[in-house]
Amino acid sequence: DVKVTQSSRYLVKRTGEKVFLECVQDMDHENMFWYRQDPGLGLRLIYFSYDVKMKEKGDIPEGYSVSREKKERFSLILESASTNQTSMYLCATKTTKGEKLFFGSGTQLSVL
Amino acid sequence: KQEVTQIPAALSVPEGENLVLNCSFTDSAIYNLQWFRQDPGKGLTSLLLIQSSQREQTSGRLNASLDKSSGRSTLYIAASQPGDSATYLCAVLTGANNLFFGTGTRLTVIP
Repeated sequence: DVKVTQSSRYLVKRTGEKVFLECVQDMDHENMFWYRQDPGLGLRLIYFSYDVKMKEKGDIPEGYSVSREKKERFSLILESASTNQTSMYLCATKTTKGEKLFFGSGTQLSVL
Repeated sequence: KQEVTQIPAALSVPEGENLVLNCSFTDSAIYNLQWFRQDPGKGLTSLLLIQSSQREQTSGRLNASLDKSSGRSTLYIAASQPGDSATYLCAVLTGANNLFFGTGTRLTVIP
């Protein structure tokens, strides 16, 4: 089975801090995604990557950046965390040919 | 832009009952539709994936149907159990990486 690992289940950060969320997959999938999930708003796509060093903006990229230096790892970076970035962050992967999406267990980020 | 709606937002049923969850989408030009389960504070687990050319998929007590022309999918759960309590989300794929999610139906199965 595909394993998608998010480095932290819970994070508490201060306003203005730089925050790194890490996602690692073990199945050589080309495509990796970062979503945030908020009550009543559902899942919203922040960024995705279809190959090493390649990235595409999603629906809400403002305040975020990403890095994909290796195929198995996709990092989400909050350059200067703000309280409105408090949310559940979900990483997902899929192959280019396959359409099934595999999710990590999520990181609940609180920015105080 | 594709919009995906799931109604109702919450549903409570007694254990043993059969139930149907609904998912509707506005643009019928989809590649596939996927149903997920999410437990509180956790990630999403894929349950069933239906290709656009298919009408239904089954896995155990779960059966998902797709009517692309009317923009609707249903997830049927037979003989519900308390362990089925979770939020169920549907998502449609409209391009290589264009996924649109519904906001989910929170199911509670009462023992």
